[in-house]
Order: sequence, then structure tokens, then C-alpha cells
Amino acid sequence: DVKVTQSSRYLVKRTGEKVFLECVQDMDHENMFWYRQDPGLGLRLIYFSYDVKMKEKGDIPEGYSVSREKKERFSLILESASTNQTSMYLCASSPGGVQPQHFGDGTRLSIL
Amino acid sequence: GQNIDQPTEMTATEGAIVQINCTYQTSGFNGLFWYQQHAGEAPTFLSYNVLDGLEEKGRFSSFLSRSKGYSYLLLKELQMKDSASYLCAVRDSSRGGSYIPTFGRGTSLIVHP
Repeated sequence: DVKVTQSSRYLVKRTGEKVFLECVQDMDHENMFWYRQDPGLGLRLIYFSYDVKMKEKGDIPEGYSVSREKKERFSLILESASTNQTSMYLCASSPGGVQPQHFGDGTRLSIL
Repeated sequence: GQNIDQPTEMTATEGAIVQINCTYQTSGFNGLFWYQQHAGEAPTFLSYNVLDGLEEKGRFSSFLSRSKGYSYLLLKELQMKDSASYLCAVRDSSRGGSYIPTFGRGTSLIVHP
């Protein structure tokens, strides 16, 4: 069974901090994604990657960056955290083609 | 761009049937997914439609009409554990080479006894 693991379920950080959210998948999937999920707004794509060292902006990349140095790991970086980045962050992976995404359990991030 | 619409919330009775609709506008339709998400948990895959028609999988079925830009998820013999959010996601080949799905805002289904 596919496992997508996010490093933290809950995280509290302060405004201006640099924040790292880590995601690891164990099924050798090419594609990895970072979303944020907010009430009434649904899942919004921040960044995705379709190969090692490759990254593409999603719909709301401002204030975020990503890193994919190894195929199994995709990191989301908040360069200087702000209160409007308080949200649930979901990582997902998928193989190529028409296969569905597999999601991690999410990280609920609070920026104070 | 894409526009995906789902009702925000629905309620239904245990044992009943409920239909959750999803309408979309896209320039390069390449498949539609339904996911289920229980509160505080990860979304999990339910179904995938790329051709017109009905796909049945146990108590859950999903229908697609590409000409109408319309899909629905049908849940039969509702159980309390079906209380969850149901997410419609559409793949658009015009969005980029990786066929990234775009999610609707989700429908919160409440099943009561």
C-alpha cells in the first residue's frame, strides 16, 4: 500500500521564521504535490514536481518554495512565515499517467 | 482556466441514496476524479471517469457527461461513516504537460440516523 508521510501533524511557528515541511513517499512515484486546504476554498495547488530537481508553480506559489533532491522526498519551504499561511498543508504523490493521487495525513500549521 | 462547482453541503438519512453533483468548465478535459475526505484525515481515491457513462463500485457510482461538463457521485445505502467531504477533481491537458488535477471546493455530506 502506498504510504505518503508528512513529518509533522501539527506545527506552530512565529511570523518571519523559515519553515520546512517534509514529505516522503515510498512507491517510487514520479509526481509529487503540495496543497493547502482552507475552509470554503478547497484544495489549492502550491507547487508540484514531476521529477528529481524539477518543480513547477501551482496556483498559489507566492511566499513558498520547494525542493526535490531525491525522488522520494518533496519539501515545502515558507521563506518568511506570515499569519496568512496558517493552514492545513497536504502532500500527495502519483505515478505517471492517469493514476490517482495518494495523500499524506496533512500538517496543520499555525503561524503566530 | 477551470471552474469546478459542487454544492457546499448536503444532508441525507441513513439508508437513503444521495447524489453529489459536480460541474466543470475546461478547455482540455482529461479525466475526473472523486475523493472522500473524513474530517482530519487525508483524501482517499474513490473513482475515475474519462469516458461518458456510469462507473459502479459497490455502494458508490460515478457518472460523467463530457458534453455537459457534468459528473455526479451516487452513494447508495448510506451509512453514518459516509459522513465526509467529497472532492471532485478535473484533469486538464491544457494546463501543462503533467495533467495536474484541479479540485473543487468539496461537498460536506452529513448523514443522520
